[in-house]
Formats: sequence, C-alpha cells, structure tokens
Amino acid sequence: QKEVEQNSGPLSVPEGAIASLNCTYSDRVSQSFFWYRQYSGKSPELIMSIYSNGDKEDGRFTAQLNKASQYVSLLIRDSQPSDSATYLCAVLAGTALIFGKGTTLSVSS
Amino acid sequence: DAGVIQSPRHEVTEMGQEVTLRCKPISGHDYLFWYRQTMMRGLELLIYFNNNVPIDDSGMPEDRFSAKMPNASFSTLKIQPSEPRDSAVYFCASSLFPFTGGVGGETQYFGPGTRLLVL
Repeated sequence: QKEVEQNSGPLSVPEGAIASLNCTYSDRVSQSFFWYRQYSGKSPELIMSIYSNGDKEDGRFTAQLNKASQYVSLLIRDSQPSDSATYLCAVLAGTALIFGKGTTLSVSS
Repeated sequence: DAGVIQSPRHEVTEMGQEVTLRCKPISGHDYLFWYRQTMMRGLELLIYFNNNVPIDDSGMPEDRFSAKMPNASFSTLKIQPSEPRDSAVYFCASSLFPFTGGVGGETQYFGPGTRLLVL
C-alpha cells in the first residue's frame, strides 16, 4: 500500500525563522509531489509542486525533492504568523493523490 | 469560476439516518474525487470518477457508502445507514485530464467540505 509519512508536529518556530517540513513516501515510481496548506476549518490549497530532483523556489517557499531517498521537504523562509497552518504532503499515484496526515506549523510573533 | 461547490456545508444527523452529500465540480474538469478527513486518519481518498465513470472505489469504507456521478456537473456521496464513526469532513475535489502534474502544476482543487456529525 502506498504511504506518505509526515511528522505530525506541532512544529513551533518564531517569526522570521525558517520552518522545515519533511515528508517521505513509499512508492518509488511516483513522479509528482505537492504541498498543500490547510488552515483550521478550511479546505486544502496547493502551494507548491515539484517533479524533478533538486530545489524549486517560489517566493518564501522552497520545495526540495530527492527521489533516490524518497524524500520531499518544504522550507518556509521568514516565517510569518499567517503561515500557521497544517501542511499536507501529497504524492501522485496514477491519477490519484495520496496525502500524508500533515504537519501542524505554529509561528509565534 | 466559482470553484468546486459542496452542499450542505454542515450536517448533523442521528445514527441510522441516510445522509447525502453533494458536489458540483469545476466546469470542464474530467476527474472528480471524494475524500474524508479525520484527525485520526488524515485525508483519505474514498472514490474518484473520470468522465462520470467510477475508476477506483477501493477507499470506500464499506457497503454503507455509495457514490454516483449522473452527469459531468454533479456527484453525490451517500451513507446509509449512518454511524457515529462516519463523523468527519468530506471533501470533493476536481481536476483536469490529463492529470500529469506537468509544467504549471495542475492538480486537484478542493471544495469547502461538508462537516458531518452523526449522533
């Protein structure tokens, strides 16, 4: 069974710090990876996608992928209180996304 | 575009009652997905459709759950009879075909969810 694992947290960082969120997956053939952000009581929203090994940067967010290690991460630079949310890692398996249970991030001002 | 629309947004019912959740996908999207989210199990895929045809229902927990997509703009998820352990947030999502995850990052777009409480 395909699995996506995340540390549930909570991960607490002070405002302005770098938050590092990690995810591992079991399906070696997976080629597409996504990070979703979910605010409390809201639906998940896509914030990053990555398909190739290495880093992908978008504003304060950087996604990192290492297919050999089956590992994907999300770095949030200059963390803001508005970044406080649950971050879901998702892996594309065929035409369906498999989600991790999410890591809760808390950014204190 | 209005995005994925779900109704009702909240549902409180008693054990044994039938529950019907509704979803309208984004116009033009060929794939529709139903998810369930709980604290214990996270976000789980229940079933998904391609061009109104169910493709994978392996995530449907048991026969009490059924889903239909009679046309491209409407889907239902039905629970009959409902049980307290069905209490969760149910999300509908849609995406374009082909969902290759290529350049542009096309992915699934989620509706606001239906919060179901079975007493």
